[in-house]
Amino acid sequence: SQKIEQNSEALNIQEGKTATLTCNYTNYSPAYLQWYRQDPGRGPVFLLLIRENEKEKRKERLKVTFDTTLKQSLFHITASQPADSATYLCALDIASTLTFGKGTMLLVSP
Amino acid sequence: KAGVTQTPRYLIKTRGQQVTLSCSPISGHRSVSWYQQTPGQGLQFLFEYFSETQRNKGNFPGRFSGRQFSNSRSEMNVSTLELGDSALYLCASSWPTSGLDGGEQFFGPGTRLTVL
Repeated sequence: SQKIEQNSEALNIQEGKTATLTCNYTNYSPAYLQWYRQDPGRGPVFLLLIRENEKEKRKERLKVTFDTTLKQSLFHITASQPADSATYLCALDIASTLTFGKGTMLLVSP
Repeated sequence: KAGVTQTPRYLIKTRGQQVTLSCSPISGHRSVSWYQQTPGQGLQFLFEYFSETQRNKGNFPGRFSGRQFSNSRSEMNVSTLELGDSALYLCASSWPTSGLDGGEQFFGPGTRLTVL
């Protein structure tokens, strides 16, 4: 069955550094992959979408890569700020259903 | 534009009862999806409605059902509540015709359901 894996342990980094989060998947070739941010007690907020024929996508301080051979997406936040602290979820289109990973919590300390 | 709204925001029920949750999508959005979020399982897809028709359904028992009205508003119902149904229920809408063609999902704030 399809598995989507994100680091379950929180990622702690210092302000100003680059945060890198990983999303690995198995047994499927999704047409696209999305990244969302979720703050406690709130619904997820869409950040970026990358399609299978795209290697990299950027939006301000965010960068996403998509390696369909490795079945992996990397999500980077450059010059991280304490306000970037949140849980980040990746989501894949699997059989016409958006399937989410469990998310990785990012903690940026001043 | 107003965002996705969900009512109620918090709900406490007892085992065996039933519950109905409501979702109003962003104006113009025709697709509404429902998700259940728990600490252990994460965000799990329940079902998706488009133009009043259920297009996709997740792996949940028949106690979970939903519907969509002509104005795209959606409701989900859970009958015979169990303790394990305690969760944050999120609804998401998307534009223009499908939430599953790569378009972003706009999530509501969720309904926190506690089953005692």
